[in-house]
Amino acid sequence: AQSVTQLGSHVSVSEGALVLLRCNYSSSVPPYLFWYVQYPNQGLQLLLKYTSAATLVKGINGFEAEFKKSETSFHLTKPSAHMSDAAEYFCAVRAGGGADGLTFGKGTHLIIQP
Amino acid sequence: DAGVIQSPRHEVTEMGQEVTLRCKPISGHNSLFWYRQTMMRGLELLIYFNNNVPIDDSGMPEDRFSAKMPNASFSTLKIQPSEPRDSAVYFCASSLQNSPLHFGNGTRLTVT
Repeated sequence: AQSVTQLGSHVSVSEGALVLLRCNYSSSVPPYLFWYVQYPNQGLQLLLKYTSAATLVKGINGFEAEFKKSETSFHLTKPSAHMSDAAEYFCAVRAGGGADGLTFGKGTHLIIQP
Repeated sequence: DAGVIQSPRHEVTEMGQEVTLRCKPISGHNSLFWYRQTMMRGLELLIYFNNNVPIDDSGMPEDRFSAKMPNASFSTLKIQPSEPRDSAVYFCASSLQNSPLHFGNGTRLTVT
């Protein structure tokens, strides 16, 4: 079984500041990890994925995440926040490369202060 | 690429009525997933199909919920009878093999 914990249901940063959204996972097998973003009244859009290749993964919109096995973490970062980054962010895990569904964290609402 | 298409976008119904949500996955994708999103419980996987066959329906909350996938391009999620606690946003997603999931824009269900 696998699970995801996202620390902080709300994160507020100033425009131009570093964005750091935290995700810790639990998995009995090597995990595949994902970050999705959800804008109001829309579905989830894939930001980036880790599938056992490079531990530092670059995604869309300037986001990246680093897989750290020793810390069971997959934190999402962006060097400089933009107003358009305001959204809900979800971390998700899948057990390896199977065709199972993803297990999602509760989500983190990112607020960008002008 | 039309993406995953869900209908309707919004559904308002009275308690006890039957509700049918529809999903058209991305052409060529062989896995289809139904999720429910609520403030209290977040995103929950209800059921998923592989090659039109239901693989895991352990997330379906009650016998009032049923899902079908009669062919590779169409799936339905039915609630009969509906209850106010079923109010949520229901998402359909599809994928190919072990690729990431692609989500539709969801159906917002309100049961009064």
